[in-house]
Amino acid sequence: AQSVAQPEDQVNVAEGNPLTVKCTYSVSGNPYLFWYVQYPNRGLQFLLKYITGDNLVKGSYGFEAEFNKSQTSFHLKKPSALVSDSALYFCAVREGDTGRRALTFGSGTRLQVQP
Amino acid sequence: NAGVTQTPKFQVLKTGQSMTLQCAQDMNHEYMSWYRQDPGMGLRLIHYSVGAGITDQGEVPNGYNVSRSTTEDFPLRLLSAAPSQTSVYFCASRRSHDQPQHFGDGTRLSIL
Repeated sequence: AQSVAQPEDQVNVAEGNPLTVKCTYSVSGNPYLFWYVQYPNRGLQFLLKYITGDNLVKGSYGFEAEFNKSQTSFHLKKPSALVSDSALYFCAVREGDTGRRALTFGSGTRLQVQP
Repeated sequence: NAGVTQTPKFQVLKTGQSMTLQCAQDMNHEYMSWYRQDPGMGLRLIHYSVGAGITDQGEVPNGYNVSRSTTEDFPLRLLSAAPSQTSVYFCASRRSHDQPQHFGDGTRLSIL
């Protein structure tokens, strides 16, 4: 079985400060990991993914994420937060190569960036 | 290039009614999925398809049917609506198993 945990319902950060949104996962084999962002009344938008290769993945809007196999984590980071980054963020995992082909999503973390 | 298009955007039904949520994509993606989003529960997979004529159940399939007669379309049918099916429904598609999903803007469904 595959699962994702986002331990924080909400993260508050001041504009200009670094931000981290946490994600841990569980899969049987190699993970395919994704981060998505959702703005009000919209669908999810893709930010970045890890399939293989470099553990530090860079994505859209200045976001990056670090894959840590030993800690089974894939935390989302940004060096300097913007008010416009305020949104709902979802981590998702799929078993790579074999197994289920569908994504499993975490429960989401609301990011609030204060001016 | 419209991406993933969902219709309707909003719908109110009475308990016991049936309806079909439409989903169409113009990217020639083989993989399509239906999710429901409920507060505090993230997105849960209802049904998915890996190509025309091939569908499979997800995490919460009860009360829903799907079919995939063409690559472009993947409708979701509610057989007999129940208040527990009040939710926001998202359709998504992707090109292959290691590619990200593209989402529609959702259908907001209320069952009275």
